[in-house]
Amino acid sequence: SQTIHQWPATLVQPVGSPLSLECTVEGTSNPNLYWYRQAAGRGLQLLFYSVGIGQISSEVPQNLSASRPQDRQFILSSKKLLLSDSGFYLCAWRGGGETQYFGPGTRLLVL
Amino acid sequence: QKEVEQNSGPLSVPEGAIASLNCTYSDRVSQSFFWYRQYSGKSPELIMSIYSNGDKEDGRFTAQLNKASQYVSLLIRDSQPSDSATYLCAVTHKGSARQLTFGSGTQLTVLP
Repeated sequence: SQTIHQWPATLVQPVGSPLSLECTVEGTSNPNLYWYRQAAGRGLQLLFYSVGIGQISSEVPQNLSASRPQDRQFILSSKKLLLSDSGFYLCAWRGGGETQYFGPGTRLLVL
Repeated sequence: QKEVEQNSGPLSVPEGAIASLNCTYSDRVSQSFFWYRQYSGKSPELIMSIYSNGDKEDGRFTAQLNKASQYVSLLIRDSQPSDSATYLCAVTHKGSARQLTFGSGTQLTVLP
């Protein structure tokens, strides 16, 4: 069966510091991978998606970037965090069907 | 701009009642429709998916889709306190990556 991991689970970072969040998927090959952000009390906003290694599409212009160095690894990064980057970051995968499945998420607080 | 709108709630129903959650979407070519449940502090989990007009039932849950009216709903029968959560409506748009657009969610509380 497929599983999706995200780490860290919680992160507190100062403004201006760098960020690296990691997502890995097990039990599937060539998944579509997605990064979402959820601000407090809000819906999910799609940030990036990837249909294959090295292929990244951005949905929202921001100071974040994403990379997919391996088939089942998706990384979200920032060189300098802003206060507005605080939120719940969710990674999701989609295989051959229509449904996206979410990882446990990383809660980021920028102070 | 593709939009998905949900009645924001919060919605409170007594235990055993039917909870009705509604969602409208703006993009007429939307193809797939999903309901996710999200408990506080947790990630969303899939409840139902629906792709064609009509009703789809799974246990106590029924999803209803009307593409002409651009409307999708979720009915929860015999509501339980464990159903208390935020319910997110999501719509897939035509595209190779099947990107999802989410509504802002409806918070449901089932009162014992």
